[in-house]
Amino acid sequence: GAVVSQHPSWVICKSGTSVKIECRSLDFQATTMFWYRQFPKQSLMLMATSNEGSKATYEQGVEKDKFLINHASLTLSTLTVTSAHPEDSSFYICSARGGTYGYTFGSGTRLTVV
Amino acid sequence: GENVEQHPSTLSVQEGDSAVIKCTYSDSASNYFPWYKQELGKRPQLIIDIRSNVGEKKDQRIAVTLNKTAKHFSLHITETQPEDSAVYFCAASNLNNDMRFGAGTRLTVKP
Repeated sequence: GAVVSQHPSWVICKSGTSVKIECRSLDFQATTMFWYRQFPKQSLMLMATSNEGSKATYEQGVEKDKFLINHASLTLSTLTVTSAHPEDSSFYICSARGGTYGYTFGSGTRLTVV
Repeated sequence: GENVEQHPSTLSVQEGDSAVIKCTYSDSASNYFPWYKQELGKRPQLIIDIRSNVGEKKDQRIAVTLNKTAKHFSLHITETQPEDSAVYFCAASNLNNDMRFGAGTRLTVKP
């Protein structure tokens, strides 16, 4: 089956620092990666869509300079939260298009900014 | 873009009863409708999906129906069990584009 490995699973960082989250498709090529953010007891909100080798498309209201997305290869996409603030604390999860079921989710990253 | 609405937001049923969750979507180009079960702090797990060329799909106690004309689809869980308690999300996608989620339904199955 398809597997997307997401790291780290949880991270605590200080305000003003940057955090990088990685998603790797282990056994298939992910031409498209979706990045979602989920606040407690809420739905998954699409932040951006990235296609391998091109710039990410951000949803309205998502700051592209704050949430840097890189999709340099067919198996790796990264999300960097720059100058993190406490309000950025959330559950971030990637989803790769591809694999057995069409969309394969990473395991998620719980970010806490203190 | 696509907009997915999901109801109810919470649902409580007695063990053994059925549970129904309904979703509507706005983009007539959407052709893929998955349902996910999410437990606290974990990734969404695909439980069933349906594509726009079929109207109904069943997998043991779980079934999904799709009405493309009305742009709505529903999840049916029969003979509910306490382990079915979780948050369920519907989603809609045109496989060429992104996937949008409904707001979620917190299902509680009382033993």
